[in-house]
This record gives sequence, structure tokens and C-alpha cells, in this order.
Amino acid sequence: EAQVTQNPRYLITVTGKKLTVTCSQNMNHEYMSWYRQDPGLGLRQIYYSMNVEVTDKGDVPEGYKVSRKEKRNFPLILESPSPNQTSLYFCASSLSMVSPLHFGNGTRLTVT
Amino acid sequence: ELKVEQNPLFLSMQEGKNYTIYCNYSTTSDRLYWYRQDPGKSLESLFVLLSNGAVKQEGRLMASLDTKARLSTLHITAAVHDLSATYFCAALETSGSRLTFGEGTQLTVNP
Repeated sequence: EAQVTQNPRYLITVTGKKLTVTCSQNMNHEYMSWYRQDPGLGLRQIYYSMNVEVTDKGDVPEGYKVSRKEKRNFPLILESPSPNQTSLYFCASSLSMVSPLHFGNGTRLTVT
Repeated sequence: ELKVEQNPLFLSMQEGKNYTIYCNYSTTSDRLYWYRQDPGKSLESLFVLLSNGAVKQEGRLMASLDTKARLSTLHITAAVHDLSATYFCAALETSGSRLTFGEGTQLTVNP
């Protein structure tokens, strides 16, 4: 089944404790991106990747890192999480930048 | 910087009625997308609108794009309860590098 898989689905952590949210897609998509969803703000792009080893900042990249070493994986790294990063995170992929996105099921992160 | 605004943000309507959700964007955009999100779920793609005057229809939903007015609409015909969800529009910058989402319209269809 074609899908974007994120893990974990739920995560509660404390301020400053490094964490990684994994994202993997099995559709051979070139483009991958990360979004955060907050009430009243829609989805805001954190980082995106046009292809392997090519990443760029979205609208809200501060406090996040990404890497794209393989085509299928695009992990999101929070080196030192803070409470304002409490949010619902979505990974998405598409054939190209202009194709519709396929979204993962989301990761609900709480930072205390 | 591309900004995308939707209205209304909340919409409660009766089954059988028609309504339109509006999506305005601030600068030139190549493409306009509509997504649906059910409560507690992920987003799924509904429509991609590629050019001025584009119209796409799927069931009771019809989306259109007016690039001169920088406006897209999502029209709901004879609403049914199953259409209750949050609908997002998203615009792609002409440079092709960033996709910006609107705030979402939470639609509730009441029996």
C-alpha cells in the first residue's frame, strides 16, 4: 500500500531533550516536506526537500533540523525542544514540487 | 511573501443546502490545491487547479480558480453530513519553492 509513515504518533517529552520524528514513504517520491498544524494557523511548512541531499527552509524552520540521506526517509530533528514546539506535525511527500501531497498520519508532540 | 486567507473559518449548514468557501491569495501563484481533513485524521488531496478558469468537480464539491482575482472557491452542492470536515486551500508560489496553506474552514453539516 502506498503510504507515508510517521513515527511515533504521540510523543510527550521535556524541554531540552533531543528527539527525532521519523518519516518514510514507499512511493519513490522526489519531494518531501514537514508541516506543523496549530489551531487557527493552518499548516505551516518547516522544511522541505526536493531530492536526496537537497533540503531548504520553509516558513518556520527555527528549532528544527532535517536530513535527506535516502530518497524514502526524511526525519525531523528537534535538538532542544521547547514548549512552543508543542504541536501536531505532518510529513508529506509528492512526485514533484507541483504534485498533490500525500500526508502521513501525524505526530502529536507535547513538550513540557 | 505569499499569504493565503480562507473564509469563512467556521461554517455550519443544513443538509441539502449550498454554500461556497473562499480562498484568497496575496501574490501570483502557479497552482492552487484543496485538501480535506477529517477530525483527528490526516489530510487528503481533493483538487489541483492549474490555470485561470480551471474548474474541477467531484461529487458534491466543485472547485474553481480565478488567477486575476487571486481567488479560488470551493462550492458545496446539496450538502450531506459526510462532508463535515475541515477544508484547506494551499497556493504554490510562482517560484515553485513554497506551498502556503490557508487557516482552514471547519464545515459542519447538520441533519
